[in-house]
Amino acid sequence: GNSVTQMEGPVTLSEEAFLTINCTYTATGYPSLFWYVQYPGEGLQLLLKATKADDKGSNKGFEATYRKETTSFHLEKGSVQVSDSAVYFCALLDNNAGNMLTFGGGTRLMVKP
Amino acid sequence: NAGVTQTPKFQVLKTGQSMTLQCAQDMNHNSMYWYRQDPGMGLRLIYYSASEGTTDKGEVPNGYNVSRLNKREFSLRLESAAPSQTSVYFCASRLSGGHEQYFGPGTRLTVT
Repeated sequence: GNSVTQMEGPVTLSEEAFLTINCTYTATGYPSLFWYVQYPGEGLQLLLKATKADDKGSNKGFEATYRKETTSFHLEKGSVQVSDSAVYFCALLDNNAGNMLTFGGGTRLMVKP
Repeated sequence: NAGVTQTPKFQVLKTGQSMTLQCAQDMNHNSMYWYRQDPGMGLRLIYYSASEGTTDKGEVPNGYNVSRLNKREFSLRLESAAPSQTSVYFCASRLSGGHEQYFGPGTRLTVT
């Protein structure tokens, strides 16, 4: 079956530091890949997505590249802000499995001023 | 548009009690989903409805039932709550052909 593995948190950074959150996946086909963000007390929001190999998703300064050869979709940001503190979830959508999302366990990011 | 709404926001139940979690979306989406979120486990799919009139089991359906009342509403029922069902429950919806799922704010359920 499909699975998504993320680095465990929490990740604690100072403001303006570089962020990387690792995500690797296992899937039988050619899934679409996503990063969702959950701010405290809220539901999940789509942060970025990539639908095929070598695509780069980007939004709000965050980027992630779909790497089929390493089955990875690592999230990066060059300079984090306190307002980026949240839980980040990597997910895959298997179009051949009822369009169901499979989520990683989530990584909590805390950014200190 | 309100997007995806869920009621209640918080609920405490005793073991064996029943309750229904309500979800509604006003985006004319065909597909709707119920997830539970537990620490360190991400979100796990309980049930989904690909279209009005259909429902299917997800990864963790035991102990739950669902009803797709109409295109807007998708409810989740716990017939006899157990402490293992203590969790945060999220409803989501998706437009057919689209990739993005839109999530509600969640219901925090505690079963004692």
